[in-house]
Amino acid sequence: GQNIDQPTEMTATEGAIVQINCTYQTSGFNGLFWYQQHAGEAPTFLSYNVLDGLEEKGRFSSFLSRSKGYSYLLLKELQMKDSASYLCAVRNTGGFKTIFGAGTRLFVKA
Amino acid sequence: DTEVTQTPKHLVMGMTNKKSLKCEQHMGHRAMYWYKQKAKKPPELMFVYSYEKLSINESVPSRFSPECPNSSLLNLHLHALQPEDSALYLCASSQGLLAGALEQYFGPGTRLTVT
Repeated sequence: GQNIDQPTEMTATEGAIVQINCTYQTSGFNGLFWYQQHAGEAPTFLSYNVLDGLEEKGRFSSFLSRSKGYSYLLLKELQMKDSASYLCAVRNTGGFKTIFGAGTRLFVKA
Repeated sequence: DTEVTQTPKHLVMGMTNKKSLKCEQHMGHRAMYWYKQKAKKPPELMFVYSYEKLSINESVPSRFSPECPNSSLLNLHLHALQPEDSALYLCASSQGLLAGALEQYFGPGTRLTVT
């Protein structure tokens, strides 16, 4: 089967660092994505990992371990506008499907 | 232009109506997608078009009928929908379907209510 797990909700303080974890079991692997989605809006692309290691992009970093089926998204210097859902998504091999996790709702408090 | 546009933004339709959702992108992307998203749930893939040909149909009921008239446009024709079809319908595009061209750009969605 195919399964993507991430925590349902997290709360963090403005200015802090938060790590959102994602574990996956999919039929093949051809990359992992992180998307941000504000309530009522479309998802926007944050990062893409296909090789093991850390990808850094400004305040956001994403890490992948293919052997462990594990990724995390690291958000630094949290801002109130970072309050949103963060979706982990995995693309499988063979077909052209991207499977989304249920998302982690992040609440940033002052 | 890195934008995917969708019309209408909101749609209310009865179960006997026929309506269409429209999606447009001018990024030269050759893959386009329809997703359905219920509240507090992740997007669920419905259809994928690659080079204007249907590549994936995720066992979607025939009351949803996709159409790709050209490389920039994607339609979703709706007929005889059920109240449980009420959801946010998201269109997305990517450069292609091959590795290295996978990032999807999403439109703002059409919020559909079936009465």
